[in-house]
Amino acid sequence: ELKVEQNPLFLSMQEGKNYTIYCNYSTTSDRLYWYRQDPGKSLESLFVLLSNGAVKQEGRLMASLDTKARLSTLHITAAVHDLSATYFCAVEGNQFYFGTGTSLTVIP
Amino acid sequence: DAGVTQSPTHLIKTRGQQVTLRCSPISGHKSVSWYQQVLGQGPQFIFQYYEKEERGRGNFPDRFSARQFPNYSSELNVNALLLGDSALYLCASSLYGATEAFFGQGTRLTVV
Repeated sequence: ELKVEQNPLFLSMQEGKNYTIYCNYSTTSDRLYWYRQDPGKSLESLFVLLSNGAVKQEGRLMASLDTKARLSTLHITAAVHDLSATYFCAVEGNQFYFGTGTSLTVIP
Repeated sequence: DAGVTQSPTHLIKTRGQQVTLRCSPISGHKSVSWYQQVLGQGPQFIFQYYEKEERGRGNFPDRFSARQFPNYSSELNVNALLLGDSALYLCASSLYGATEAFFGQGTRLTVV
């Protein structure tokens, strides 16, 4: 079974700082997704990464995929309070395998 | 365009009861998947249906069952509810099985 690990599990950062969330997975896959979840809400699609070396950016978030290393990163630049949420990566095998989630809190 | 819609949004059931959750996919999407998300954890795959056939099943007991209708909507049934079945149940639709999935708002099931 494909396993997906994220770290850190919890992240508290000050506004204006930069940080990276890591997503490691255990078997070969060329498709990786990042989702955001606000408390009590559903999953909002952030990025779809479909090939090795893919990089996508939206606002203060940038995601990348290294399929050889089985690693994806979600980089946060100059964090703002509105980015506080839980972030999940999901790897596509014969189903979607979700990571453990990273709970991000941005402190003013 | 309507997104993925799920009903009901909240539900409280007693242990041993049965529950049916409903999902309508995005128009044109033929694949529906169901996930269980326990508080504080990532979603866990339960079922995937494509063109009304089961295409995948996660590690859940036989108390969980699902089906997909000719209009591609889907139902998830859970029998003999346990306290541990309390969770957010998410439905996702996609064009076909292996493409980006769009999630509904979920059904919050509480078993007491």
